[in-house]
Amino acid sequence: EPEVTQTPSHQVTQMGQEVILRCVPISNHLYFYWYRQILGQKVEFLVSFYNNEISEKSEIFDDQFSVERPDGSNFTLKIRSTKLEDSAMYFCASSEGQGLSPLHFGNGTRLTVT
Amino acid sequence: AQKITQTQPGMFVQEKEAVTLDCTYDTSDPSYGLFWYKQPSSGEMIFLIYQGSYDQQNATEGRYSLNFQKARKSANLVISASQLGDSAMYFCAMRGAGRRALTFGSGTRLQVQP
Repeated sequence: EPEVTQTPSHQVTQMGQEVILRCVPISNHLYFYWYRQILGQKVEFLVSFYNNEISEKSEIFDDQFSVERPDGSNFTLKIRSTKLEDSAMYFCASSEGQGLSPLHFGNGTRLTVT
Repeated sequence: AQKITQTQPGMFVQEKEAVTLDCTYDTSDPSYGLFWYKQPSSGEMIFLIYQGSYDQQNATEGRYSLNFQKARKSANLVISASQLGDSAMYFCAMRGAGRRALTFGSGTRLQVQP
């Protein structure tokens, strides 16, 4: 069964450094997302991406964050200058459609900012 | 605005018994989808089951079924014949038909006891 893949599974970085989290969505899916989950807390929406542009973003997704689909398969999340509070599990997801289509999540990247 | 409420932070069930995990929701969208995800201790988010707001029948997927009561705005997950491997965090989520963002509840931690 096709799946969303994320790399790396763990990333440790120092405060102020840039990180790029990578994702390969399911190949026939058109909608891509990033979510995060701070340890023990809710899963929070960051951003959705469709047709090579951001279609929706939350208030968490400020100027420090950006997303890109550099080629036909990868979807990346960049955090320009990491803060301690960016430590979380970051999930990439994709779906065939919006609204009534389920999201399929990757296994996540655990980001630790020291 | 959309809101998902899961009132059971933790649940215990004996192996081979059935268990119901509660989920209530609130939305102004006339058409929406309801989803359940499982998050084992390893951290990945696994899609379990989906119910559309206009679906006449309750969704079923193997040992999972969704008890959808539209008038009560509830979408409870029923797991039949619990197995030790069902021990995990379970999240209820929803999104409107025209929306991108999936809104999650706070989750219920299920522990299956031998």
